Amino acid sequence: DQQVKQNSPSLSVQEGRISILNCDYTNSMFDYFLWYKKYPAEGPTFLISISSIKDKNEDGRFTVFLNKSAKHLSLHIVPSQPGDSAVYFCAASANFGNEKLTFGTGTRLTIIP
Amino acid sequence: DTAVSQTPKYLVTQMGNDKSIKCEQNLGHDTMYWYKQDSKKFLKIMFSYNNKELIINETVPNRFSPKSPDKAHLNLHINSLELGDSAVYFCASSSVNTEAFFGQGTRLTVV
Repeated sequence: DQQVKQNSPSLSVQEGRISILNCDYTNSMFDYFLWYKKYPAEGPTFLISISSIKDKNEDGRFTVFLNKSAKHLSLHIVPSQPGDSAVYFCAASANFGNEKLTFGTGTRLTIIP
Repeated sequence: DTAVSQTPKYLVTQMGNDKSIKCEQNLGHDTMYWYKQDSKKFLKIMFSYNNKELIINETVPNRFSPKSPDKAHLNLHINSLELGDSAVYFCASSSVNTEAFFGQGTRLTVV
């Protein structure tokens, strides 16, 4: 039972354009959401997060949007840069600080120069 | 300065063997985890320890035994390795006010 889903296994975006990565979840108990970025042969690195009390969180080029009613979140990267090429994992937990993270299967983002 | 370090990075071993993967974190975090990423790229939690106490134990075969000698270390011992154990194993750590930091992963191949 996949509680966190990333339905797009891959995405290609032109450099300078906006990249939008999507994530859906089914568990209503999730109240904290994270995006991790992963390069080959490395571990996931934390990118940005959002609590369920917010609907938007922004950090530089990265913005995460949360739509609780639709159980959907998205990560926007603008402008996209070649170094953004990586696999992006969406993750969710029932509460921050006691994190059993449930991950999606990832979306491979390729930025085309 | 590596925050969460795992050894070895690669491990190739025969079926039936017993092997260990070590993990250390120098972040002062209270909680450490083992995650498994299988061939389908699902990244799933296996165990979580808080101050050396087991707090999460997902449905994992008894052949997998985590050991936490202190809160900076969480090792994973696997007995009687099977082909299906081949995966990438990630160690991670966190504290109350931080997100989880992951190690670089250990790619285990059972032949």
